[in-house]
Amino acid sequence: GQQVMQIPQYQHVQEGEDFTTYCNSSTTLSNIQWYKQRPGGHPVFLIQLVKSGEVKKQKRLTFQFGEAKKNSSLHITATQTTDVGTYFCANFNKFYFGSGTKLNVKP
Amino acid sequence: DTAVSQTPKYLVTQMGNDKSIKCEQNLGHDTMYWYKQDSKKFLKIMFSYNNKELIINETVPNRFSPKSPDKAHLNLHINSLELGDSAVYFCASSRTANEQFFGPGTRLTVL
Repeated sequence: GQQVMQIPQYQHVQEGEDFTTYCNSSTTLSNIQWYKQRPGGHPVFLIQLVKSGEVKKQKRLTFQFGEAKKNSSLHITATQTTDVGTYFCANFNKFYFGSGTKLNVKP
Repeated sequence: DTAVSQTPKYLVTQMGNDKSIKCEQNLGHDTMYWYKQDSKKFLKIMFSYNNKELIINETVPNRFSPKSPDKAHLNLHINSLELGDSAVYFCASSRTANEQFFGPGTRLTVL
């Protein structure tokens, strides 16, 4: 079945450094969603990308959808301690979630 | 005004028991879901209900049965609990093809 692979599994950064997580699919995705889960919390929707090559920004977060619609990335500029959590990509149509990238930010 | 609520928040039980987890959403969404998140944080879809019809069921043992009395509720019943069922179970809801709103989760521990 269709799988969504996510890397890296873990990322430790110093506050102020940038962070990127990547999501890759073996097949073309109709859309991709990104969620953030704080420690002990539940996944919270961040954004949905639908168009090939789409780029969306939310303050310090930049989301990209690949031209072939098989990969996506989330980039955080100048991380803050409030960015700590696990970031998941998800293919909504198939309800597949990536394995997640756990981000730790050291103050 | 909690959008998606689940009860109980914690559930500790013995192997072999039967238990239920309740979920309610007040967002007027037409689709509800159950996810299982294991200790490694993998999120796996278990069920989805749209207008009271089951639309997906991802290789979940038949010990698990979703029950939807109405559009706002999707309960999860588990028979003959096993050690491997220990996990956090999340309920979620959405309008078709849109963002999912997750409940706070139910941490199930089977002893």
